[in-house]
Amino acid sequence: DTEVTQTPKHLVMGMTNKKSLKCEQHMGHRAMYWYKQKAKKPPELMFVYSYEKLSINESVPSRFSPECPNSSLLNLHLHALQPEDSALYLCASSQDRDGQYNSPLHFGNGTRLTVT
Amino acid sequence: RKEVEQDPGPFNVPEGATVAFNCTYSNSASQSFFWYRQDCRKEPKLLMSVYSSGNEDGRFTAQLNRASQYISLLIRDSKLSDSATYLCVVNGVGNNNDMRFGAGTRLTVKP
Repeated sequence: DTEVTQTPKHLVMGMTNKKSLKCEQHMGHRAMYWYKQKAKKPPELMFVYSYEKLSINESVPSRFSPECPNSSLLNLHLHALQPEDSALYLCASSQDRDGQYNSPLHFGNGTRLTVT
Repeated sequence: RKEVEQDPGPFNVPEGATVAFNCTYSNSASQSFFWYRQDCRKEPKLLMSVYSSGNEDGRFTAQLNRASQYISLLIRDSKLSDSATYLCVVNGVGNNNDMRFGAGTRLTVKP
């Protein structure tokens, strides 16, 4: 079983809806990530939070809005999405200790999003 | 040039074969290297980290070549259960958390 929990597992939403994806980890990790994965493609980095601050935003459209309420929680707020945003959204965490490398990513099961 | 390049395959091998995957990376300052395995419709799972001196875990051997900027994964005595997509991950030009995936290599092990 994964130690990173994502909800919901599946989500279908219309283009005018507002929804949120949620991610939680209790491993004491201080970096949390959102990746987007389309079929037969690798995960594509969207956002990284380090110590609850947004450290990387890969020029993601503003219809995706991340939020890190505390070190254990990560949300992704969705609004006015397009059908091409349909994908698997993966949350991950890593230890992120200063000066430390090779802290691997631990992934949740993902949320499979369909935009109609 | 992509930050991380990986031959997408596919690789189709018989049981018992030895198979090797490579990934090249563009940032000479990269310090974090990993191999992940992803099964169909599942999340990526860590297979092994890659250390400078090379490391082995059972049938799996990972190596890092800093001079040529590539990492490799060797699987010996392939099993049917090794069939999956293998993805390399390297930290990118941003910072230690800028984790970038290669394209992934699809491996099918056949009886």
